Amino acid sequence: DAGITQSPRHKVTETGTPVTLRCHQTENHRYMYWYRQDPGHGLRLIHYSYGVKDTDKGEVSDGYSVSRSKTEDFLLTLESATSSQTSVYFCATTTGGDTGELFFGEGSRLTVL
Amino acid sequence: AQSVTQLGSHVSVSEGALVLLRCNYSSSVPPYLFWYVQYPNQGLQLLLKYTSAATLVKGINGFEAEFKKSETSFHLTKPSAHMSDAAEYFCAVRPANRDDKIIFGKGTRLHILP
Repeated sequence: DAGITQSPRHKVTETGTPVTLRCHQTENHRYMYWYRQDPGHGLRLIHYSYGVKDTDKGEVSDGYSVSRSKTEDFLLTLESATSSQTSVYFCATTTGGDTGELFFGEGSRLTVL
Repeated sequence: AQSVTQLGSHVSVSEGALVLLRCNYSSSVPPYLFWYVQYPNQGLQLLLKYTSAATLVKGINGFEAEFKKSETSFHLTKPSAHMSDAAEYFCAVRPANRDDKIIFGKGTRLHILP
């Protein structure tokens, strides 16, 4: 298993508050991703990173920002949480290249009231 | 643009019956293709992957998938369903010329009937 740890695993917050989710990996993988999972939508890519300080937007990036100051950490921030951001968030990593296999964290369940 | 279509958000099969989960992709270049499985309250784990080495790919837990370029399909099969196969299954695609973009289908929840 790629050592991927997400924190917090569960969080309940109120509309308008900032929230930061952390993804920590111990495998030195170059690529890191944040997905959200919602019923009927599968996994949708929010943001991803292809190296330290190198990030790009996914298909549902509005309302989210990310930062990667170290190889092992990828932070997802909701500047002002809304109820539509209630979801399960998954971090994933990969080495890229011919394997391309994604390794997933256990998920962070966020509820915005 | 890349896209992945999984036909059927829910599929039910009887224990011991054939499992067939469908996945079609759109890609301008031959992609890498994956099937992932998600058990309740867990993250996703890789079942199998196609990386152009062979069109019939065998994975874990008796699953296999066949890449058919002419049909742009990568359907997942298992000859005999087991109760433990009940889970959600996701097809994913990554272009062979891009290391970064990985797109998932919406998932198919597999129900196993006793």
